[in-house]
Amino acid sequence: GAGVSQSPRYKVAKRGQDVALRCDPISGHVSPFWYQQALGQGPEFLTYFQNEAQLDKSGLPSDRFFAERPEGSVSTLKIQRTQQEDSAVYLCASSARTGHGYTFGSGTRLTVV
Amino acid sequence: DQQVKQNSPSLSVQEGRISILNCDYTNSMFDYFLWYKKYPAEGPTFLISISSIKDKNEDGRFTVFLNKSAKHLSLHIVPSQPGDSAVYFCAAASGGNMLTFGGGTRLMVKP
Repeated sequence: GAGVSQSPRYKVAKRGQDVALRCDPISGHVSPFWYQQALGQGPEFLTYFQNEAQLDKSGLPSDRFFAERPEGSVSTLKIQRTQQEDSAVYLCASSARTGHGYTFGSGTRLTVV
Repeated sequence: DQQVKQNSPSLSVQEGRISILNCDYTNSMFDYFLWYKKYPAEGPTFLISISSIKDKNEDGRFTVFLNKSAKHLSLHIVPSQPGDSAVYFCAAASGGNMLTFGGGTRLMVKP
């Protein structure tokens, strides 16, 4: 596609519910990155892939968070047993080659109630 | 420990004047710096970048300056336009991997 597509745009989850956030990076890009942006703050790195391989997941805040990219295209960020502190905008970015030209999607705003 | 800091949460500038947004960093391993602009309900949009081997990069109305000894970079917008009103984030990378962002500066350009 022309840009990075994320879905859903908005998600309201009850505390304890599992959620899955989808990122469809730009066709041909090899590196989807996931970031979490809390209200009034800058985005913070969560994890990234190069093709199917998850090369760095050091930013994932707890073992309730995990990401996958099984077929090397669409990536999914899953949050299990959501907590209120998980409320944030989750941004996905992709790059044609690692380190340059990151393009961000519009994000998914997650609200945990 | 914030490795990238934007100490001014907001900045107000008159249309036509220069906007200067500042950013400081602590990690001397950072070798690539970027500025992003963000409108509400949209993802950050890439504006301009600079490699650590340079001290200035210019693109139209936007110029980024890098002072490695001071671990400081700035974004100059000349002339400022009302459409430039947005939140600006500086970001830094080391070895071409993940970006570390500052907290953002909200720029308001008054007509």
